[in-house]
Amino acid sequence: QVQLQQSGPGLVKPSETLSLTCTVSGYSISSGYYWGWIRQPPGKGLEWIGSIYHSGSTYYNPSLKSRVTTSVDTSKNQFSLKLSSVTAADTAVYYCARFGTRDVYWGQGTPVTVSS
Amino acid sequence: EIVLTQSPATLSLSPGERATLSCRASQSVSSYLAWYQQKPGQAPRLLIYDASNRVTGIPARFSGSGSGTDFTLTISSLEPEDFAVYYCQQRTNWPSITFGQGTRLEIK
Repeated sequence: QVQLQQSGPGLVKPSETLSLTCTVSGYSISSGYYWGWIRQPPGKGLEWIGSIYHSGSTYYNPSLKSRVTTSVDTSKNQFSLKLSSVTAADTAVYYCARFGTRDVYWGQGTPVTVSS
Repeated sequence: EIVLTQSPATLSLSPGERATLSCRASQSVSSYLAWYQQKPGQAPRLLIYDASNRVTGIPARFSGSGSGTDFTLTISSLEPEDFAVYYCQQRTNWPSITFGQGTRLEIK
């Protein structure tokens, strides 16, 4: 069974970099699929941040592209998100996910607050 | 960028009634349209992919239809556990995706 476990701080200071990691079990990242990040501000809808393939090919939301970096570590079966220069507008629940065209597996979600 | 507009924003119905949720795309997405259900404190759950295909394990009361720019999610007879927020999502430029703003289905 595919499981995604997120880790990372729940509080980030303005102007700093948000960093989250998603550890996958039950499936090897190297075997395929796109691995991505979605966020949801409090009381609002879903926003796709970006996705990465096991080869390292990346795809980002144009509105966040200048601040987003994603990476994959196949040796640890993990993928990661970095979002730089955060502001209060980046406060949200962040989800990692394995995206297929017919199925999606989600992490548990990490609430992240940007505040000094 | 393709924009998805969902209507209505909120739908108030009673258990046993039929729910019809709409999703309109700013340009054709062919049949690359999915529907998700999200309950408070939970990750979204994929219900329908490619406009009309139900995910394994999703009850038959959920159905999707449409192509091009106009899509519908229908719940034939509402169960108490169906009251949630529903999102449509397009994948025309896979793996890039966009979501609609959501429809809240609430108990009348």
